[in-house]
Amino acid sequence: ILNVEQSPQSLHVQEGDSTNFTCSFPSSNFYALHWYRWETAKSPEALFVMTLNGDEKKKGRISATLNTKEGYSYLYIKGSQPEDSATYLCASNTNAGKSTFGDGTTLTVKP
Amino acid sequence: DTEVTQTPKHLVMGMTNKKSLKCEQHMGHRAMYWYKQKAKKPPELMFVYSYEKLSINESVPSRFSPECPNSSLLNLHLHALQPEDSALYLCASSLLWGLAATYEQYFGPGTRLTVT
Repeated sequence: ILNVEQSPQSLHVQEGDSTNFTCSFPSSNFYALHWYRWETAKSPEALFVMTLNGDEKKKGRISATLNTKEGYSYLYIKGSQPEDSATYLCASNTNAGKSTFGDGTTLTVKP
Repeated sequence: DTEVTQTPKHLVMGMTNKKSLKCEQHMGHRAMYWYKQKAKKPPELMFVYSYEKLSINESVPSRFSPECPNSSLLNLHLHALQPEDSALYLCASSLLWGLAATYEQYFGPGTRLTVT
């Protein structure tokens, strides 16, 4: 992996469904992985920062895991609600302090 | 106050104009960032300021000139831009920045720039 890649590009789920998406990043020179939520017409909002292999973070119905050895992170949303509709961005920080963003996964939750 | 403000929200400028984008935060953060985001693409880092000093310039053309006059304020001066510079310009701040930094960034809503 040379760049930060996110999959799927978009996702449509029904209210109440649980969902997850993936962020893949270069494992060399890795230092930190950030997840952001970006709602239309708003500012990107930080969700999690993770640094250690095996890290797990949780905020309400949203959680994330990190595997630095294989270079991926999962974001999980349990019981999706319409207000979860947004683009979810991940960004990988190198140990030189530079952030590289993925293209994002756009989630649409239908009532 | 956990807000990063950016002005103006929208800007249309000709290729011979000089304009400036402004970003402000009052969270006591000592790191501030400029990103450029084109439609359907991720934000791309342009500049990082740490303690009012330029720490990263990602090979940005000189027609973009950043300035950090104090710890709360970040400007981006624009001159002789090209139509391909049209994009959303996002400002962000974090508590600190440095090698191996892990501080979360707080983003402003962005300035939508159109170069005609």
